[in-house]
Amino acid sequence: KAGVTQTPRYLIKTRGQQVTLSCSPISGHRSVSWYQQTPGQGLQFLFEYFSETQRNKGNFPGRFSGRQFSNSRSEMNVSTLELGDSALYLCASSLNTVQGGYTFGSGTRLTVV
Amino acid sequence: SQQGEEDPQALSIQEGENATMNCSYKTSINNLQWYRQNSGRGLVHLILIRSNEREKHSGRLRVTLDTSKKSSSLLITASRAADTASYFCASGEYGNKLVFGAGTILRVKS
Repeated sequence: KAGVTQTPRYLIKTRGQQVTLSCSPISGHRSVSWYQQTPGQGLQFLFEYFSETQRNKGNFPGRFSGRQFSNSRSEMNVSTLELGDSALYLCASSLNTVQGGYTFGSGTRLTVV
Repeated sequence: SQQGEEDPQALSIQEGENATMNCSYKTSINNLQWYRQNSGRGLVHLILIRSNEREKHSGRLRVTLDTSKKSSSLLITASRAADTASYFCASGEYGNKLVFGAGTILRVKS
């Protein structure tokens, strides 16, 4: 079966711009989570969606937002980009968040210049 | 930071040797998971141990969990060059989120 697909793979944006990243989960997985990975802070939880509802949110400013569609596909948006937003953004989907693991996509590498 | 801690930060061993990585976490958990990451790409799920389990095996992997000490360990037996990667523990917290450790970089020399 197809894995978690993230698009685009690479992105270069200018400070102050906004960006939208996309994630298609494994078919049948209704939970989609987003993580940010940087060399300094490591892997940090951004938010989790289930059936189009945000169930949990990490400690990120309001510039980071997301949504989930009825087909479970998810997007995350970062507005007013800052240099510190440069990171690998990873999406993960799960069938059962309590008893099962997460399947991660290959990530979108965002560079803000 | 909410991150868990892992040690060692880096580990270099010969092919065929065993590799042990340790992880500590901070809060109550549903489960403890281990992931592998190659060269900054996506994470690959290796094994999950539930909070009421103490030990779990999967192929060459053995995971232990001590909830009283809030710690876990991952043992990879008979390491191969292909095991070279970064390994992360992640505590599965209530609220459907993972809190990751800082990771251990494993290098297996052939």
